[in-house]
Amino acid sequence: QQQVKQSPQSLIVQKGGISIINCAYENTAFDYFPWYQQFPGKGPALLIAIRPDVSEKKEGRFTISFNKSAKQFSLHIMDSQPGDSATYFCAANEETSGSRLTFGEGTQLTVNP
Amino acid sequence: DTEVTQTPKHLVMGMTNKKSLKCEQHMGHRAMYWYKQKAKKPPELMFVYSYEKLSINESVPSRFSPECPNSSLLNLHLHALQPEDSALYLCASSPRDKIYNEQFFGPGTRLTVL
Repeated sequence: QQQVKQSPQSLIVQKGGISIINCAYENTAFDYFPWYQQFPGKGPALLIAIRPDVSEKKEGRFTISFNKSAKQFSLHIMDSQPGDSATYFCAANEETSGSRLTFGEGTQLTVNP
Repeated sequence: DTEVTQTPKHLVMGMTNKKSLKCEQHMGHRAMYWYKQKAKKPPELMFVYSYEKLSINESVPSRFSPECPNSSLLNLHLHALQPEDSALYLCASSPRDKIYNEQFFGPGTRLTVL
């Protein structure tokens, strides 16, 4: 059973546009929601993370929006750049599972020049 | 040093071979992980070591054997693999095996089983 559903599977955005990736979860015990960015030939790297006591977190051009009642969270990339082209994974974690992450299926983002 | 290193970068092996993957970190992290990643899929957790002790084995076949010789090193011993085991094997580390701890991933070893 997939516990974190991510959409879209792929996304093409023009340079300067806004990229939006959505994730939905079922397990209400999840308490930590990180986003990872992975470039081809590299391992994933933590981009930004949020805990459910806040509804939004912003770091530079990257913003997480969190809706606890809807059990949804999303990543917004403002002023998207070709260098943002990568695969993005949302993830979720609950305290009782230690650091075990449940990943979404991933979104392949392409930003055209 | 904020890096997780993995060797080799690429590995091709036959189904009867024995090989090992190596991972190293010098960040003082006490939790280390092995993941398997197939193309266009998310990483799948295989093993977690916490303070050099195996804390999680996600029902991984015994042809994969992890080892943590010390707090900086993590090995994955491979024996009698199948072609479907071909994948990117990622090592990661985090300060502790706890929630809210960022996991730092290495670049991975691209494994091909013939």
